[in-house]
Amino acid sequence: AQTIHQWPVAEIKAVGSPLSLGCTIKGKSSPNLYWYWQATGGTLQQLFYSITVGQVESVVQLNLSASRPKDDQFILSTEKLLLSHSGFYLCAWSRGTGGSQNTLYFGAGTRLSVL
Amino acid sequence: GEQVEQRPPHLSVREGDSAVITCTYTDPNSYYFFWYKQEPGASLQLLMKVFSSTEINEGQGFTVLLNKKDKRLSLNLTAAHPGDSAAYFCAVSDNTNTGKLTFGDGTVLTVKP
Repeated sequence: AQTIHQWPVAEIKAVGSPLSLGCTIKGKSSPNLYWYWQATGGTLQQLFYSITVGQVESVVQLNLSASRPKDDQFILSTEKLLLSHSGFYLCAWSRGTGGSQNTLYFGAGTRLSVL
Repeated sequence: GEQVEQRPPHLSVREGDSAVITCTYTDPNSYYFFWYKQEPGASLQLLMKVFSSTEINEGQGFTVLLNKKDKRLSLNLTAAHPGDSAAYFCAVSDNTNTGKLTFGDGTVLTVKP
Protein backbone atom coordinates (compact mmCIF):
# COMPACT_ATOMS: atom_id res chain seq x y z
CA ALA A 1 0.00 0.00 0.00
CA GLN A 2 1.11 3.52 -0.73
CA THR A 3 1.69 6.00 2.06
CA ILE A 4 2.32 9.72 1.90
CA HIS A 5 4.03 11.57 4.70
CA GLN A 6 4.32 15.32 5.07
CA TRP A 7 6.54 17.22 7.44
CA PRO A 8 6.36 19.24 9.58
CA VAL A 9 2.76 18.99 10.75
CA ALA A 10 2.70 22.68 11.63
CA GLU A 11 5.03 25.66 11.56
CA ILE A 12 4.97 29.13 13.04
CA LYS A 13 7.47 31.35 11.26
CA ALA A 14 8.42 35.00 11.10
CA VAL A 15 8.00 37.14 8.01
CA GLY A 16 11.23 37.10 6.02
CA SER A 17 12.43 33.76 7.37
CA PRO A 18 13.11 30.74 5.14
CA LEU A 19 10.81 27.74 4.82
CA SER A 20 11.16 24.16 3.74
CA LEU A 21 8.26 21.69 3.64
CA GLY A 22 8.68 18.07 2.68
CA CYS A 23 6.68 15.20 1.35
CA THR A 24 7.62 11.54 0.88
CA ILE A 25 5.72 8.80 -0.94
CA LYS A 26 6.33 5.15 -0.13
CA GLY A 27 5.09 2.13 -2.04
CA LYS A 28 4.80 3.69 -5.49
CA SER A 29 7.59 4.20 -7.98
CA SER A 30 7.53 7.22 -10.30
CA PRO A 31 4.41 8.87 -8.94
CA ASN A 32 3.19 12.25 -10.11
CA LEU A 33 3.60 14.66 -7.20
CA TYR A 34 1.75 17.88 -6.46
CA TRP A 35 1.77 20.80 -4.04
CA TYR A 36 -1.52 22.50 -3.22
CA TRP A 37 -2.17 25.51 -1.02
CA GLN A 38 -5.38 26.10 0.81
CA ALA A 39 -6.01 29.56 2.18
CA THR A 40 -8.21 30.08 5.21
CA GLY A 41 -11.68 29.92 3.72
CA GLY A 42 -11.02 26.78 1.76
CA THR A 43 -10.15 27.36 -1.91
CA LEU A 44 -7.54 24.90 -3.19
CA GLN A 45 -4.78 26.25 -5.40
CA GLN A 46 -2.37 23.96 -7.25
CA LEU A 47 1.16 25.34 -6.92
CA PHE A 48 3.49 22.83 -8.57
CA TYR A 49 3.50 19.39 -10.07
CA SER A 50 6.21 16.94 -11.01
CA ILE A 51 6.03 13.96 -13.33
CA THR A 52 9.61 12.81 -12.83
CA VAL A 53 12.73 13.36 -10.76
CA GLY A 54 14.35 16.72 -11.33
CA GLN A 55 11.42 18.15 -13.27
CA VAL A 56 8.96 20.53 -11.66
CA GLU A 57 6.28 22.57 -13.37
CA SER A 58 5.01 25.74 -11.79
CA VAL A 59 1.30 26.49 -11.90
CA VAL A 60 1.19 29.45 -9.53
CA GLN A 61 4.45 30.46 -7.88
CA LEU A 62 3.41 32.74 -5.00
CA ASN A 63 7.15 33.42 -4.39
CA LEU A 64 7.68 29.73 -3.63
CA SER A 65 9.76 27.10 -5.34
CA ALA A 66 9.63 23.34 -5.49
CA SER A 67 12.10 20.60 -6.17
CA ARG A 68 12.04 16.85 -6.61
CA PRO A 69 15.46 15.58 -5.58
CA LYS A 70 14.42 11.93 -5.42
CA ASP A 71 11.70 9.82 -7.01
CA ASP A 72 9.78 9.67 -3.75
CA GLN A 73 10.41 13.18 -2.39
CA PHE A 74 8.93 16.60 -3.11
CA ILE A 75 10.12 19.77 -1.38
CA LEU A 76 8.45 23.19 -1.20
CA SER A 77 10.57 26.12 -0.11
CA THR A 78 11.17 29.83 -0.05
CA GLU A 79 13.99 32.00 1.20
CA LYS A 80 11.70 34.76 2.48
CA LEU A 81 8.25 34.15 3.87
CA LEU A 82 5.43 36.62 3.39
CA LEU A 83 2.32 37.02 5.52
CA SER A 84 0.32 35.81 2.52
CA HIS A 85 2.05 32.43 2.69
CA SER A 86 0.01 31.44 5.71
CA GLY A 87 -2.34 28.55 5.10
CA PHE A 88 -2.55 24.82 4.72
CA TYR A 89 -0.08 23.13 2.38
CA LEU A 90 -1.06 19.79 0.93
CA CYS A 91 1.14 17.35 -0.91
CA ALA A 92 -0.56 14.81 -3.16
CA TRP A 93 0.36 11.99 -5.48
CA SER A 94 -1.24 10.21 -8.40
CA ARG A 95 -0.36 7.42 -10.78
CA GLY A 96 -0.74 10.05 -13.46
CA THR A 97 -1.08 7.98 -16.61
CA GLY A 98 -4.42 9.49 -17.49
CA GLY A 99 -8.03 8.68 -16.75
CA SER A 100 -8.75 7.29 -13.31
CA GLN A 101 -5.01 7.14 -12.68
CA ASN A 102 -5.26 10.91 -12.17
CA THR A 103 -6.93 10.32 -8.81
CA LEU A 104 -5.15 12.46 -6.24
CA TYR A 105 -4.28 11.08 -2.81
CA PHE A 106 -3.44 13.74 -0.28
CA GLY A 107 -1.06 13.86 2.63
CA ALA A 108 -2.14 15.09 6.05
CA GLY A 109 -0.92 18.60 5.30
CA THR A 110 1.25 21.23 6.96
CA ARG A 111 -0.38 24.19 8.63
CA LEU A 112 1.77 27.31 8.28
CA SER A 113 1.32 30.51 10.25
CA VAL A 114 3.47 33.44 9.26
CA LEU A 115 3.64 36.21 11.86
CA GLY B 1 -9.01 26.52 -19.33
CA GLU B 2 -11.41 24.43 -17.31
CA GLN B 3 -13.64 26.28 -14.86
CA VAL B 4 -15.63 24.55 -12.15
CA GLU B 5 -18.44 26.25 -10.32
CA GLN B 6 -19.63 24.64 -7.09
CA ARG B 7 -22.84 25.52 -5.31
CA PRO B 8 -23.82 26.26 -2.63
CA PRO B 9 -20.79 27.56 -0.73
CA HIS B 10 -22.50 26.87 2.59
CA LEU B 11 -25.27 24.40 3.39
CA SER B 12 -26.97 23.75 6.71
CA VAL B 13 -29.42 20.87 7.15
CA ARG B 14 -31.05 18.94 9.98
CA GLU B 15 -30.04 15.40 10.80
CA GLY B 16 -31.92 12.99 8.54
CA ASP B 17 -32.46 15.56 5.78
CA SER B 18 -30.90 15.26 2.37
CA ALA B 19 -28.16 17.60 1.18
CA VAL B 20 -27.31 18.25 -2.46
CA ILE B 21 -24.11 19.85 -3.75
CA THR B 22 -23.72 20.61 -7.43
CA CYS B 23 -20.78 21.40 -9.69
CA THR B 24 -20.87 22.57 -13.27
CA TYR B 25 -17.83 22.57 -15.50
CA THR B 26 -16.96 24.09 -18.85
CA ASP B 27 -14.57 21.78 -20.71
CA PRO B 28 -16.44 19.13 -22.73
CA ASN B 29 -13.23 17.07 -22.86
CA SER B 30 -13.24 16.60 -19.09
CA TYR B 31 -12.91 12.96 -18.41
CA TYR B 32 -12.82 12.02 -14.74
CA PHE B 33 -14.74 13.52 -11.87
CA PHE B 34 -14.09 13.33 -8.13
CA TRP B 35 -15.63 14.22 -4.81
CA TYR B 36 -13.43 14.86 -1.80
CA LYS B 37 -14.38 15.37 1.83
CA GLN B 38 -12.37 17.53 4.21
CA GLU B 39 -13.19 17.35 7.90
CA PRO B 40 -12.25 20.38 10.02
CA GLY B 41 -8.49 20.71 10.36
CA ALA B 42 -7.83 17.62 8.28
CA SER B 43 -6.70 16.74 4.79
CA LEU B 44 -8.79 15.75 1.77
CA GLN B 45 -10.24 12.27 1.61
CA LEU B 46 -11.47 10.77 -1.65
CA LEU B 47 -15.19 9.97 -1.51
CA MET B 48 -15.81 8.77 -5.04
CA LYS B 49 -14.68 9.03 -8.63
CA VAL B 50 -16.90 8.67 -11.69
CA PHE B 51 -16.39 8.87 -15.43
CA SER B 52 -19.23 7.41 -17.46
CA SER B 53 -21.36 9.77 -19.50
CA THR B 54 -24.32 9.47 -17.22
CA GLU B 55 -23.62 7.63 -14.08
CA ILE B 56 -25.02 7.19 -10.66
CA ASN B 57 -22.65 5.86 -8.07
CA GLU B 58 -23.79 4.99 -4.63
CA GLY B 59 -21.57 5.03 -1.62
CA GLN B 60 -22.23 4.82 2.08
CA GLY B 61 -25.06 7.28 2.58
CA PHE B 62 -24.49 9.26 -0.59
CA THR B 63 -25.15 9.23 -4.33
CA VAL B 64 -23.11 10.82 -7.09
CA LEU B 65 -24.70 11.74 -10.39
CA LEU B 66 -22.76 12.75 -13.48
CA ASN B 67 -24.47 14.24 -16.52
CA LYS B 68 -21.89 14.95 -19.21
CA LYS B 69 -24.49 16.37 -21.58
CA ASP B 70 -25.28 19.12 -19.08
CA LYS B 71 -21.69 19.20 -17.73
CA ARG B 72 -23.02 18.75 -14.23
CA LEU B 73 -21.87 16.69 -11.29
CA SER B 74 -23.78 16.35 -8.06
CA LEU B 75 -23.36 14.81 -4.63
CA ASN B 76 -26.48 13.87 -2.72
CA LEU B 77 -26.24 12.89 0.93
CA THR B 78 -29.46 10.98 1.38
CA ALA B 79 -29.91 11.14 5.17
CA ALA B 80 -27.29 13.42 6.61
CA HIS B 81 -25.92 12.94 10.11
CA PRO B 82 -23.64 15.19 12.19
CA GLY B 83 -20.59 13.16 11.17
CA ASP B 84 -21.14 14.37 7.60
CA SER B 85 -20.36 17.93 8.67
CA ALA B 86 -17.32 18.86 6.60
CA ALA B 87 -16.20 20.71 3.50
CA TYR B 88 -16.85 18.93 0.22
CA PHE B 89 -14.95 19.58 -2.98
CA CYS B 90 -15.64 18.44 -6.49
CA ALA B 91 -12.75 18.07 -8.93
CA VAL B 92 -12.54 17.58 -12.67
CA SER B 93 -9.69 15.98 -14.59
CA ASP B 94 -8.64 15.72 -18.20
CA ASN B 95 -7.21 12.51 -19.61
CA THR B 96 -3.60 13.63 -19.87
CA ASN B 97 -0.80 12.31 -17.72
CA THR B 98 -0.20 15.63 -15.99
CA GLY B 99 -2.99 14.65 -13.64
CA LYS B 100 -4.23 18.21 -13.39
CA LEU B 101 -7.41 18.46 -11.36
CA THR B 102 -9.52 21.58 -11.32
CA PHE B 103 -11.30 21.95 -8.01
CA GLY B 104 -14.53 23.68 -7.15
CA ASP B 105 -14.38 26.25 -4.36
CA GLY B 106 -15.94 23.86 -1.88
CA THR B 107 -19.16 23.57 0.11
CA VAL B 108 -19.16 23.72 3.89
CA LEU B 109 -21.90 21.39 5.08
CA THR B 110 -23.24 21.65 8.62
CA VAL B 111 -25.58 18.94 9.87
CA LYS B 112 -27.46 19.91 13.01
CA PRO B 113 -28.78 17.26 15.42
